[in-house]
Amino acid sequence: LAKTTQPISMDSYEGQEVNITCSHNNIATNDYITWYQQFPSQGPRFIIQGYKTKVTNEVASLFIPADRKSSTLSLPRVSLSDTAVYYCLVANTDKLIFGTGTRLQVFP
Amino acid sequence: GAVVSQHPSWVICKSGTSVKIECRSLDFQATTMFWYRQFPKQSLMLMATSNEGSKATYEQGVEKDKFLINHASLTLSTLTVTSAHPEDSSFYICSAQAGGNQETQYFGPGTRLLVL
Repeated sequence: LAKTTQPISMDSYEGQEVNITCSHNNIATNDYITWYQQFPSQGPRFIIQGYKTKVTNEVASLFIPADRKSSTLSLPRVSLSDTAVYYCLVANTDKLIFGTGTRLQVFP
Repeated sequence: GAVVSQHPSWVICKSGTSVKIECRSLDFQATTMFWYRQFPKQSLMLMATSNEGSKATYEQGVEKDKFLINHASLTLSTLTVTSAHPEDSSFYICSAQAGGNQETQYFGPGTRLLVL
């Protein structure tokens, strides 16, 4: 299973765009990249998943370069409620191994 | 998205007792369910994979006789913490997956266990 590396924490202000980058240098051909959000004392919530290039949904965008050795989760115009831990996971099987995640703090 | 529930949401018990936690997929059939444990300020740690109708697969270091898993139907998996001790106090989270590989896992809200 590919190991991921993310910044431990990030700070932002309301209304700003936040980009969280995840490194996964040993990603395998069949691996997908998935991001989850977790609030304190809650289960993780699925945000977005992609294989290559760009994926966009109603809450975020996911940018994956051609070599797929990294990915960037982009959150447009964050609000206070986006304060949470964000996990990047890479897997081609159903087994998800969570890394340390990135703790995003949004300030007013 | 798909909804996964857990019951109870929190439980306090005395040391030595057993505690059962239920995980249900409410609007889809889950061929596979997973159990995680999360200690404060730490990431989720996968404990075991539960497949309907077969024995669970435990991760290294997780005692199968301590954490009994039963996946009796396509919508229900249970985790029983047997003879719980204070060190078992943690946040237990389940997830459910509808299909095979690459299918999104949907997580339950978690169960907070406190063993006195």
